[in-house]
Amino acid sequence: GENVEQHPSTLSVQEGDSAVIKCTYSDSASNYFPWYKQELGKGPQLIIDIRSNVGEKKDQRIAVTLNKTAKHFSLHITETQPEDSAVYFCAATPFRTSYDKVIFGPGTSLSVIP
Amino acid sequence: DVKVTQSSRYLVKRTGEKVFLECVQDMDHENMFWYRQDPGLGLRLIYFSYDVKMKEKGDIPEGYSVSREKKERFSLILESASTNQTSMYLCASKFSSSGRDNEQFFGPGTRLTVL
Repeated sequence: GENVEQHPSTLSVQEGDSAVIKCTYSDSASNYFPWYKQELGKGPQLIIDIRSNVGEKKDQRIAVTLNKTAKHFSLHITETQPEDSAVYFCAATPFRTSYDKVIFGPGTSLSVIP
Repeated sequence: DVKVTQSSRYLVKRTGEKVFLECVQDMDHENMFWYRQDPGLGLRLIYFSYDVKMKEKGDIPEGYSVSREKKERFSLILESASTNQTSMYLCASKFSSSGRDNEQFFGPGTRLTVL
């Protein structure tokens, strides 16, 4: 089955700097890669996703890149702000049917220091 | 706004007790999920349901069961709680299609402590 690894497990950056979180997956059939952000005391929330037919996707200060050949994808946050502090989860799934599971990485705890 | 609610934010139970965790969603989602979240392990799928009265085992179903009698409600049951089931439990829901609506919507979680 699918296995998703995520690095680093913790990340501290100064406000205004960039943050990068990297993930690798094992199942070449995976074609959908969402990223979730979990703020303290809340459930995870989708912030951006990418499909395998796209190499990069941007949404304001957030971007995700995908390298299907190498089976890795990354989240890039530019101009970080204190409200970006949270736990971030990458995930992968083939999403061929409703029964396909989403496999989550172990998470990265991001701290943005003011 | 999609809303997924969980019956309790914090729960303390004793070893051997039967525990019910309830989840309700208000967006008419077909699929519902139960995850447990542990430090360094991410979100691990316990069970999911793709329709009323339907259920599928996830990656760690041992010690758990589920019930989906109504579309909006998905219950997680610990038949005999054990200390290794102390964890954060997250419920999620989504539409069934594998098209554009792939987003899972999560509840706020239930922090369960088994003594």
